Amino acid sequence: QLRLQESGPGLVKPSETLSLTCTVSLGSINSTNYYWGWIRQPPGKGLEWIGNIDSSGNTFCRPSLKSRVTISVETSKNQFSLKVSSVTAADTALYYCARQVITTLAGVTDYYYFDLWGRGTLVTVSS
Amino acid sequence: DIVMTQSPDSLAVSLGERATINCKSSQDILYFSDNRNYLAWYQHKPGQPPKLLVSWASTREFGVPDRFSGSGSGTDFSLTISTLQAEDVAVYYCQQYYMTPYTFGQGTKLEIK
Repeated sequence: QLRLQESGPGLVKPSETLSLTCTVSLGSINSTNYYWGWIRQPPGKGLEWIGNIDSSGNTFCRPSLKSRVTISVETSKNQFSLKVSSVTAADTALYYCARQVITTLAGVTDYYYFDLWGRGTLVTVSS
Repeated sequence: DIVMTQSPDSLAVSLGERATINCKSSQDILYFSDNRNYLAWYQHKPGQPPKLLVSWASTREFGVPDRFSGSGSGTDFSLTISTLQAEDVAVYYCQQYYMTPYTFGQGTKLEIK
């Protein structure tokens, strides 16, 4: 079954940029049936959706994070990535990548649930 | 944003007994055009990826034991485990995908009594 694996630095300094990569294995990121997303969980708090991307690079993300978030895809490497700029301690979290099920009919895309997740990677923002 | 509120925050149930977790959305997540509730349930065990259990409020995913069932419509939903097994100890989350930003409940920690 397809797997997702997050990777990246576990420690980032305040005001710098957090960068994570999700590698898709045992399957292809090139699919018209899925988007690929990032979700995080601060310590002791709930899950927060960050944003999604498809294999063509179409993205959408949480409005409150939009000014600081960049999501990109590299289909040749079967990877997609997350960058969060100007981080603060509030960005400390367990970051998950996940696959989102979608359907597209007559040019209209409907977005559904996350059917596969990675194990997550902890990122701590601290000097 | 749609606020998802789960109850209780934690639950202790004896093996073999029934466990019920509730989830309430701050607005209706039943889409009129397809008559489907845009709600999912996930199970999360420590060190493992969250696992999708139920989509569309009541559609169990392939391979999920039939002791798990989802119900509800509109704004009120439930996940029921009919006979609790030891391997069901986990945190359970509901999530709405009716509109962005997608939002999750705060989680319900299920333990063995």
